[in-house]
Amino acid sequence: DAGVIQSPRHEVTEMGQEVTLRCKPISGHDYLFWYRQTMMRGLELLIYFNNNVPIDDSGMPEDRFSAKMPNASFSTLKIQPSEPRDSAVYFCASSVGLGARGGAYEQYFGPGTRLTVT
Amino acid sequence: GDSVTQMEGPVTLSEEAFLTINCTYTATGYPSLFWYVQYPGEGLQLLLKATKADDKGSNKGFEATYRKETTSFHLEKGSVQVSDSAVYFCALSRGSSNTGKLIFGQGTTLQVKP
Repeated sequence: DAGVIQSPRHEVTEMGQEVTLRCKPISGHDYLFWYRQTMMRGLELLIYFNNNVPIDDSGMPEDRFSAKMPNASFSTLKIQPSEPRDSAVYFCASSVGLGARGGAYEQYFGPGTRLTVT
Repeated sequence: GDSVTQMEGPVTLSEEAFLTINCTYTATGYPSLFWYVQYPGEGLQLLLKATKADDKGSNKGFEATYRKETTSFHLEKGSVQVSDSAVYFCALSRGSSNTGKLIFGQGTTLQVKP
């Protein structure tokens, strides 16, 4: 398996510009998660999807952030306009739900996108 | 609500020392428990897991036992190597009321010196 794929790996942009981060989950996984990691705040869950439908976006910091999942193999996280405080590493993760069986929901993480907003 | 608490770092050890990283949790029901590891510049990787009380997860010399009576899942390794230097995250997912989310601890940085 190729694992979770994220692009770009690094992004440097100026304040006010639009930034789009991309994620391809592991084939067959029906959950997709977007996280943000900073030294100050640690690892934060921004939003997650189940079967392409957003389930919980309570972690999205503000309206400048939006996420979409048009199909099972692709998701985007967009920041418009970007600000210096958005500088962080953004991770995408995917997992397979076990439905009524419950049990472990181990997540598989991508390598992350390091975003720097100047 | 559900939560995970890890010991604060950084933890600094000499090579071949014994490692313990404490993790305790608060959760309703019967959560599954995980340890993830993050090497510098990389994403999180699943290190080991346990899905029910008294289960022991193990991988790469690391072990952790699911202790329901003490609500703990401490990570141990008998002899650490420089290559084990990383950030370690404890996490849980709910059991029967699982929403698919993982609840992560704040992470513990391990530094192993030669």
